[in-house]
Amino acid sequence: DAGVIQSPRHEVTEMGQEVTLRCKPISGHDYLFWYRQTMMRGLELLIYFNNNVPIDDSGMPEDRFSAKMPNASFSTLKIQPSEPRDSAVYFCASSQDSGTLNQPQHFGDGTRLSIL
Amino acid sequence: AQSVTQLDSQVPVFEEAPVELRCNYSSSVSVYLFWYVQYPNQGLQLLLKYLSGSTLVKGINGFEAEFNKSQTSFHLRKPSVHISDTAEYFCAVTLVTDSWGKLQFGAGTQVVVTP
Repeated sequence: DAGVIQSPRHEVTEMGQEVTLRCKPISGHDYLFWYRQTMMRGLELLIYFNNNVPIDDSGMPEDRFSAKMPNASFSTLKIQPSEPRDSAVYFCASSQDSGTLNQPQHFGDGTRLSIL
Repeated sequence: AQSVTQLDSQVPVFEEAPVELRCNYSSSVSVYLFWYVQYPNQGLQLLLKYLSGSTLVKGINGFEAEFNKSQTSFHLRKPSVHISDTAEYFCAVTLVTDSWGKLQFGAGTQVVVTP
């Protein structure tokens, strides 16, 4: 049973470049989450989707960040233009909609992003 | 809004010794509680969860946690750690009304196991 798959695992790019992070959730999961992890701020929820629709993007730091989910098996997080302070590990997670009982989130291995 | 406090940022422990990681939460409504583990260069994995029922919850890798509603705590324990338990551990909470699992994470506790 494949877990959440993220690509690339590592990304190094120069300031000002566009960065696209990709995520494939677990099949059958209705919710998809994007997190950012830094030493200073810990794990922050950036945005989440339900059935491919963005529900809450209040955690997105600024307009340079955007996320899409064109179908149930794929999501992207884009940063344009990128800045050094965007350097972090970005995680994607997915979970089922049980309707009645909380279901745990399953995390990918993350994308380690370095903006020079 | 709910919040989670992990009281220790780092816990050094010798191999085969017991370990306890402390977690306290704050919420005006009922919550579900989780512990996740993050091994180096990996994503978070669920260790255990408390949803309802028995307040003592057993998880994977020999870990257990006890929910204490009066003290609003959910401390994680393992009676005998291995070198492979070296990792960062995150306590998380979600509202019972959020069935889809929007999590509020604590800051994490780094466990370093030495021989």
